[in-house]
Amino acid sequence: EDQVTQSPEALRLQEGESSSLNCSYTVSGLRGLFWYRQDPGKGPEFLFTLYSAGEEKEKERLKATLTKKESFLHITAPKPEDSATYLCAVQHGGATNKLIFGTGTLLAVQP
Amino acid sequence: ETGVTQSPTHLIKTRGQQVTLRCSSQSGHNTVSWYQQALGQGPQFIFQYYREEENGRGNFPPRFSGLQFPNYSSELNVNALELDDSALYLCASSLGGSTGELFFGEGSRLTVL
Repeated sequence: EDQVTQSPEALRLQEGESSSLNCSYTVSGLRGLFWYRQDPGKGPEFLFTLYSAGEEKEKERLKATLTKKESFLHITAPKPEDSATYLCAVQHGGATNKLIFGTGTLLAVQP
Repeated sequence: ETGVTQSPTHLIKTRGQQVTLRCSSQSGHNTVSWYQQALGQGPQFIFQYYREEENGRGNFPPRFSGLQFPNYSSELNVNALELDDSALYLCASSLGGSTGELFFGEGSRLTVL
């Protein structure tokens, strides 16, 4: 059964304190791994797609990496506006865009 | 470019009632997916509509049904509401039926009493 597990559940950082969020997954035939950001009371916002082990994507202070079993979202020198829930999701082979989401990591960056 | 819009934003129903949620997809997008997000959980896939046909369904009972219209807008209908149906219902649109890059609306918060 396809499964996504994210850790930690919650993370509190000081502004400028870099860290990483983890997403471990089991999926039959990974088609893509996705990172989304969700602010309170809002829908998820797409950040990255990773397709194969070794791939990396960057956007501002965020960098996503992928291995055969897990993905990391590295946050370098975070700012308070990076505070949000970060969701990881996988898509397996098939004719739909069905995503299997993890429960997310709630990130709080304090000034 | 207009993003994904959902209505209503909040609603309260009682057990056994029926509810219809609406979604307008982003301009140019022909695929709509619906997700249910319970408090503290990740979104769960309900179903997907591509060119007015349901072409994928998650583990939800038949009392969850939907429609997609020629302009690609969509409805989610839930009959015989149960307390566990209380959640944020998210609509996502995309270009094509097999991409995981989804554009979400802000959701409809349903409370069932």
